[in-house]
Amino acid sequence: GESVGLHLPTLSVQEGDNSIINCAYSNSASDYFIWYKQESGKGPQFIIDIRSNMDKRQGQRVTVLLNKTVKHLSLQIAATQPGDSAVYFCAENLGGGADGLTFGKGTHLIIQP
Amino acid sequence: KAGVTQTPRYLIKTRGQQVTLSCSPISGHRSVSWYQQTPGQGLQFLFEYFSETQRNKGNFPGRFSGRQFSNSRSEMNVSTLELGDSALYLCASRVGGPSYEQYFGPGTRLTVT
Repeated sequence: GESVGLHLPTLSVQEGDNSIINCAYSNSASDYFIWYKQESGKGPQFIIDIRSNMDKRQGQRVTVLLNKTVKHLSLQIAATQPGDSAVYFCAENLGGGADGLTFGKGTHLIIQP
Repeated sequence: KAGVTQTPRYLIKTRGQQVTLSCSPISGHRSVSWYQQTPGQGLQFLFEYFSETQRNKGNFPGRFSGRQFSNSRSEMNVSTLELGDSALYLCASRVGGPSYEQYFGPGTRLTVT
């Protein structure tokens, strides 16, 4: 099975609310985690990353939380906007440039007006 | 700075044929990775090239191969196409250090009939 997986295939939120997208990983040796956003007809777009020596990292309207104890990663999007509608993927890497990225299946975020 | 470009964007091939896809990375990026994206399997890592050498390889059969040129441009080749090879093939580039902050192109949509 996949070492990275998402809890929900679809998440529907009201415009203006905060969104939380979750991800579980199974490889305790993973050193680096990334969130990507993919809009229809486009390639994945880098959102934010975090290394295993951190538990939180913030960007513009986004926060990634890493809980190594339970091997859980989450992406929080503040004040969700229509342009946030997309499929969100978490991905992990062992670090040191090894073995590419392992992606989860993705969560489709739908923004309700 | 121009993003990652991939050609062609769409391709239709017949089972048993071979195909070559091309990727031009972001200027200054020396690492190019290839991924296959399908609805059933999601995003799967094919291989990574750095300085014209294959550095990492995913779990794909030998029909899938690639190369990288001295200008960092990369090609991937799939021989003896099968129906199951129908997918979106994504190329991603990064500077090449320990960070996996990589940027994806729009992909090549391959349909095998």
